[in-house]
Amino acid sequence: DAGVIQSPRHEVTEMGQEVTLRCKPISGHNSLFWYRQTMMRGLELLIYFNNNVPIDDSGMPEDRFSAKMPNASFSTLKIQPSEPRDSAVYFCASSFGGRGETQYFGPGTRLLVL
Amino acid sequence: DQQVKQNSPSLSVQEGRISILNCDYTNSMFDYFLWYKKYPAEGPTFLISISSIKDKNEDGRFTVFLNKSAKHLSLHIVPSQPGDSAVYFCAASGSGNTGKLIFGQGTTLQVKP
Repeated sequence: DAGVIQSPRHEVTEMGQEVTLRCKPISGHNSLFWYRQTMMRGLELLIYFNNNVPIDDSGMPEDRFSAKMPNASFSTLKIQPSEPRDSAVYFCASSFGGRGETQYFGPGTRLLVL
Repeated sequence: DQQVKQNSPSLSVQEGRISILNCDYTNSMFDYFLWYKKYPAEGPTFLISISSIKDKNEDGRFTVFLNKSAKHLSLHIVPSQPGDSAVYFCAASGSGNTGKLIFGQGTTLQVKP
């Protein structure tokens, strides 16, 4: 299996622009997680889906962030409008779901908002 | 407020010696704990886990210890190798079948040859 695939790997944009991050989970996994990594807070869970349904979005910073999972093999995280404080590495992870199941992470998208 | 805390941002040890990475948590409902390792430009990968019904779990050179009364866990790497140099994240999950994990800030381990 190719593992979790994320695109783009790097994104540089200007403040105010829309940013869309993409994720393809491992085939057969039914849970998908979006994380943001910063030096201060480490890995923060933004939102997670189970069977394509958002279960917990309490970690989404504000209304500028939105996430969708239209089908079992694709998810997007959108930031509109982007701000410099959104600069971070964004990870997508997937698992078979349920407690104790290992989460498999993608390589991440490094976002820089100027 | 951080429910899972790794208070040491970095740790440096000599090859062959023991590395001890620490993690504290505040939520007594957490009952499953994991360690992930992350190399630069890669996503974190699962390393080892422990359930709250145990106080120790060992896998090769890696051992995780859990002290529930102190709400503290630690990862021991013996002997440490240069290839172990990475960022280590502690994570916890609570009751319920959600699969949600709460991660700490991470500790950067450097093992010097």
